[in-house]
Amino acid sequence: ELKVEQNPLFLSMQEGKNYTIYCNYSTTSDRLYWYRQDPGKSLESLFVLLSNGAVKQEGRLMASLDTKARLSTLHITAAVHDLSATYFCAVRHDKIIFGKGTRLHILP
Amino acid sequence: KAGVTQTPRYLIKTRGQQVTLSCSPISGHRSVSWYQQTPGQGLQFLFEYFSETQRNKGNFPGRFSGRQFSNSRSEMNVSTLELGDSALYLCASSLFGGDGLARDDTQYFGPGTRLTVL
Repeated sequence: ELKVEQNPLFLSMQEGKNYTIYCNYSTTSDRLYWYRQDPGKSLESLFVLLSNGAVKQEGRLMASLDTKARLSTLHITAAVHDLSATYFCAVRHDKIIFGKGTRLHILP
Repeated sequence: KAGVTQTPRYLIKTRGQQVTLSCSPISGHRSVSWYQQTPGQGLQFLFEYFSETQRNKGNFPGRFSGRQFSNSRSEMNVSTLELGDSALYLCASSLFGGDGLARDDTQYFGPGTRLTVL
């Protein structure tokens, strides 16, 4: 059964710093998704990564996929307070399985 | 283009009752998925429907059921409610074609239905 693990689960960081969230999954898949959820809100799609080596960037967020290592990373550059949220990765292996999420708190 | 809508947004029920939640996907999307979100278990997959057929089902008891109509709208039903069914139920639609060929099958989530079981 597909397992998706994110780490860290909680992250508190200062504005202006860089950090990376990791997403490991247990079964071969060529589709990986990143979502953002603000408190009390629904999920918002950030990236869809469809092939090995795929890299996508939007503002201060950059996501990459290594299907051989079964690993995706979400890199945050020069964090700002507005990026505080919970970030989920999800993998499709027939059905879509979500990681437990990384709660990111950016301190001003 | 209108987003995914879910009704009702909030629901309070008592144990033993049943509940039906509704989801209207984005126009043109034929795939609808349902998820249960709780603080303890996170986001758990319930069902995925495509063209009125259930493609996948998560590890939930038979009290949880769903269906999809010809207009792609979907409903899920929970019978004999238990306290542990209290959760945010999220519906998502996508262009996923059921055959793996849709290259961008981003799921677009609705606002959710917050179910409280007393």
